[in-house]
Amino acid sequence: GAGVSQSPRYKVTKRGQDVALRCDPISGHVSLYWYRQALGQGPEFLTYFNYEAQQDKSGLPNDRFSAERPEGSISTLTIQRTEQRDSAMYRCASSSPRTSGRRADTQYFGPGTRLTVL
Amino acid sequence: KQEVTQIPAALSVPEGENLVLNCSFTDSAIYNLQWFRQDPGKGLTSLLLIQSSQREQTSGRLNASLDKSSGRSTLYIAASQPGDSATYLCAVIGGGSEKLVFGKGTKLTVNP
Repeated sequence: GAGVSQSPRYKVTKRGQDVALRCDPISGHVSLYWYRQALGQGPEFLTYFNYEAQQDKSGLPNDRFSAERPEGSISTLTIQRTEQRDSAMYRCASSSPRTSGRRADTQYFGPGTRLTVL
Repeated sequence: KQEVTQIPAALSVPEGENLVLNCSFTDSAIYNLQWFRQDPGKGLTSLLLIQSSQREQTSGRLNASLDKSSGRSTLYIAASQPGDSATYLCAVIGGGSEKLVFGKGTKLTVNP
């Protein structure tokens, strides 16, 4: 079946603009995660959802960052008033802990969105 | 705060060699540990997941071990091939969370 998809794959924007990054998880997966990865670093957690409920947003760096998953499937990560320091690879992952019976299951990652803020 | 360290940062080996990648974590109260492979321009591919109650997992030429009490995991790759060249990431999930905490990765190059 189809894996996690993300769009756009590349986004170049000017400082001060808003951007919306989309994640389409594996069909039926309950949990959806957002991570950010700087060059040469491992991904860092931003936020995650179980169904449509945002369970943990402790990794969002400031209030310019927000995420939603209104119908428990597709999720959007929005960055308002972008700054150059927001440039990074944004990765989405999904998993299905509820259906597997385990609290935390394998997370499957999408290809990422490379954001460049000029 | 959980911290994950991977050693070495980079490794270059000739084809056919067996090798070990190391991962350590500061808080032993983990729920599970995952090893990922990252290829340039692509997503992360999950290789192995070890639950905290397990000691090792195997998949093909890969074997991952977990020593929770000492905060260590190793990924053993047997008979390495050029196609194994990638960055390998270790990540843990803590006892009270579902978020992965990653190391910085080990960049592996297998030379033909």
